[in-house]
Parts: sequence; C-alpha cells; structure tokens
Amino acid sequence: DIQMTQSPPTLYASVGNRVTITCRASQSISSFLNWYQRKPGKAPKLLIYAASTLQSGVPSRFSGSGSGRDFSLTITSLRPEDFATYYCQQSHSVPYTFGQGTNVEMK
Amino acid sequence: QLQLLESGSGLVRPSQTLSLTCAVSGDSVGSGSYSWSWIRQSPGTGLEWIGNVFDSGAGRYSPSLKSRLTMSLDRSRNQFSLTLTSVTAADTGIYYCASFSEYSYGFDYWGQGMRVTVSS
Repeated sequence: DIQMTQSPPTLYASVGNRVTITCRASQSISSFLNWYQRKPGKAPKLLIYAASTLQSGVPSRFSGSGSGRDFSLTITSLRPEDFATYYCQQSHSVPYTFGQGTNVEMK
Repeated sequence: QLQLLESGSGLVRPSQTLSLTCAVSGDSVGSGSYSWSWIRQSPGTGLEWIGNVFDSGAGRYSPSLKSRLTMSLDRSRNQFSLTLTSVTAADTGIYYCASFSEYSYGFDYWGQGMRVTVSS
C-alpha cells in the first residue's frame, strides 16, 4: 500500500495568514493526488484533484502543487470558514489511501 | 449535482453481517461517469477506502477487506450497496458512500455518513 504522510498534524494560524500543508507519498504517484476539507460532523469535500486542479466552486485562495512524491496545499489568505481538517489522498493505485489529516486551528 | 444518502443497520452484532445502501440522485448509477465508493473512518484512525463498484457491476476492493466484502449496484432503484461479513469491533465507524469521478480520479460527492457500531 502507498503510505501518505501529512505535515504538520496541527497548524495554528490566524485569519489572513498564508498556510501550507505538505503531503508525501511513500512512492511516486505522478499527479494522482487529491485534497479534501472536512469540518466537524460533515463529509469531506473535494478541493483539488490531479495535484493542482481546483474543483468547481472552490475559492481561488486554495491551490495545490507537486508531483511524484511531494505535494502541498496552500491557502493564500485564511478565512474563518477555512478552519477545518485537510486530507490528501492518492488515486494512483489500489488501495486508495488518505493521509492522516492536518487540523488547521485558530491561533 | 449528485446527492447520496446512506441507510442500513447502525448496530451489528460481532460475527454478523453489516449491510448498507446508498441512494443516488442526480445521475444514474449505470451512467459510467462514476464508479461508486464506500469509505469509512474508525475511531482514532483516518479515512479508509473500502472499495468501488463500477457501472458494469464489477467491484474493486481493498485487499484488507476483500475476503469479507461484496459491493453491488441496483439500477432499478438507482442505488448501490455494501455487505461486510464476520464483523468485529474494528469495523465500528462512520461509513460514507461517495462517487468516484472517472474524470478527476477524486471522490467528488459524498453522503452525510452513517455511524455503525459493532457490539453485542
């Protein structure tokens, strides 16, 4: 199985901050990398697919980059509604696997 | 826009069978635009992909669950189902159904999630 390692586990930030979350795959996954946002009691929401393509309706302050093993999700100016947990997920090979999540919390 | 809604048994006895159904609206489960997925989150662990079922009815399963798992489509009711046999406490968690886009290779629509407890 491909292991997905996210860092940091928890990130403390303030509204307006630029925030970056990283995700490393245990082997190359090309660009088969997706990012999700999850809020308490809700299902995850797809933000970015294919490493850098913004899902329809997702604000442009979200962006993704990377290929191979190393990826990142950046929020350019954090808004109150962005405090949530973020997960990366690989679709390169079965079993599809998720990172352990990064909690973005208010400083 | 797709909408998905899980239903099924919320409490299952150990060694018994867990059965869940996901009703789909906004597209046909046989359209071929998506495959149909189950994903779970157990207490204290992260998100775990369980498997996908395709419009053909064929399944692609997580190797760790494959021996106990069956997924199927019901085109007449526009829904898909999961059956997991011989459950243990480790199968307790929140089960989500989701659509897996054959375009984006992402899980782009999710159900609200169904809490399943395995307990005697």
